[in-house]
Amino acid sequence: AQSVTQLGSHVSVSEGALVLLRCNYSSSVPPYLFWYVQYPNQGLQLLLKYTTGATLVKGINGFEAEFKKSETSFHLTKPSAHMSDAAEYFCAVSDRTGTASKLTFGTGTRLQVTL
Amino acid sequence: GAGVSQSPSNKVTEKGKDVELRCDPISGHTALYWYRQSLGQGLEFLIYFQGNSAPDKSGLPSDRFSAERTGGSVSTLTIQRTQQEDSAVYLCASSPRAYGYTFGSGTRLTVV
Repeated sequence: AQSVTQLGSHVSVSEGALVLLRCNYSSSVPPYLFWYVQYPNQGLQLLLKYTTGATLVKGINGFEAEFKKSETSFHLTKPSAHMSDAAEYFCAVSDRTGTASKLTFGTGTRLQVTL
Repeated sequence: GAGVSQSPSNKVTEKGKDVELRCDPISGHTALYWYRQSLGQGLEFLIYFQGNSAPDKSGLPSDRFSAERTGGSVSTLTIQRTQQEDSAVYLCASSPRAYGYTFGSGTRLTVV
């Protein structure tokens, strides 16, 4: 069984400040890990994913995340927040079985960016 | 189409009525997923279809929920005898292969 924990349902940062959204996972097999962003009244958009290889992955809009197996974490960061980053962010995990596998999502973190 | 299309975008129904939600995936995507997003609950997996294989229905919350995928393309999620706790946003996603989900914008269902 897999699970995802996102620490902090709401995070507020100032424009230009570092964004750090935390995600910890539990998986009995090596996981695939994802971050999605959801803007109001829209579906989810993939920000980045870790499957294999380099543990630091870069995504769209300047976001990146680092897979740390020893900490079972996949935190999302961005060096400088922009007002347009305000949205809800979801971390997700899937196993490596089959050719298409369902995702288990965290409960989401709402990012607020203030002036 | 260019993306995953869901209809209707909003649906208000009376308690006890049946509803059908439609998902039109990206052409050629063999995998199709339904998720439910409730306020403060994150996304809950409901069901997925992969090619001609039997669907994985392990996430359906009760036997009032069912889904079909016709011709390997369009899918319909049906909720019978709707209850107020069924109110949520129902999201569909499709994928050409492993780990390449594209989500639709969802159907917001309100049961009154």
